[in-house]
Amino acid sequence: GAVVSQHPSRVICKSGTSVKIECRSLDFQATTMFWYRQFPKQSLMLMATSNEGSKATYEQGVEKDKFLINHASLTLSTLTVTSAHPEDSSFYICSARVAGGADTQYFGPGTRLTVL
Amino acid sequence: QKEVEQDPGPLSVPEGAIVSLNCTYSNSAFQYFMWYRQYSRKGPELLMYTYSSGNKEDGRFTAQVDKSSKYISLFIRDSQPSDSATYLCAMSSLTGGGNKLTFGTGTQLKVEL
Repeated sequence: GAVVSQHPSRVICKSGTSVKIECRSLDFQATTMFWYRQFPKQSLMLMATSNEGSKATYEQGVEKDKFLINHASLTLSTLTVTSAHPEDSSFYICSARVAGGADTQYFGPGTRLTVL
Repeated sequence: QKEVEQDPGPLSVPEGAIVSLNCTYSNSAFQYFMWYRQYSRKGPELLMYTYSSGNKEDGRFTAQVDKSSKYISLFIRDSQPSDSATYLCAMSSLTGGGNKLTFGTGTQLKVEL
């Protein structure tokens, strides 16, 4: 149980384009989902907390107009990187917290974004 | 000073060894403690979850929390090459906004044949 999927697993795009990443909880409902960014050999950096039906809460230093987050249902959250630039290239990982469950997060497999 | 400190390694051990991974933290409000395993280019996988002080065992893994010392450990018995990965400790507080997790930097473990 507690499986989280992400799509796509890997994307390469040109500078200036927008990229959408989907995060789905497959076998449970997630009122809260989280988006992280991870650089090589570094730990996860929380970008934003996404609550179903409300606006996301962004961490300090994360541009909300750059990284658009939508949590339209209890099983789906999306992250859109707008007008992507090479410095946005990174590994993006989402996680989901089980609704009414303990304080644990289950992670997706990650999306490798490369901006040329 | 970081809220959570973790030795990045790398840590190299022979197959069958007992591995000890550790994290220290400074925030006394942390109540929930987790260990995740992350293989290269994959998302973290939850290994152990503990609440407050004490030990918890699951197969070859034992998680230990000492709140008085602000110190948590993960022990791996009879380590296998398939245990080679990065191990991340994570923790959160009862009052942490939005149940955010604070992660250690991760310890890279290599179990050699």
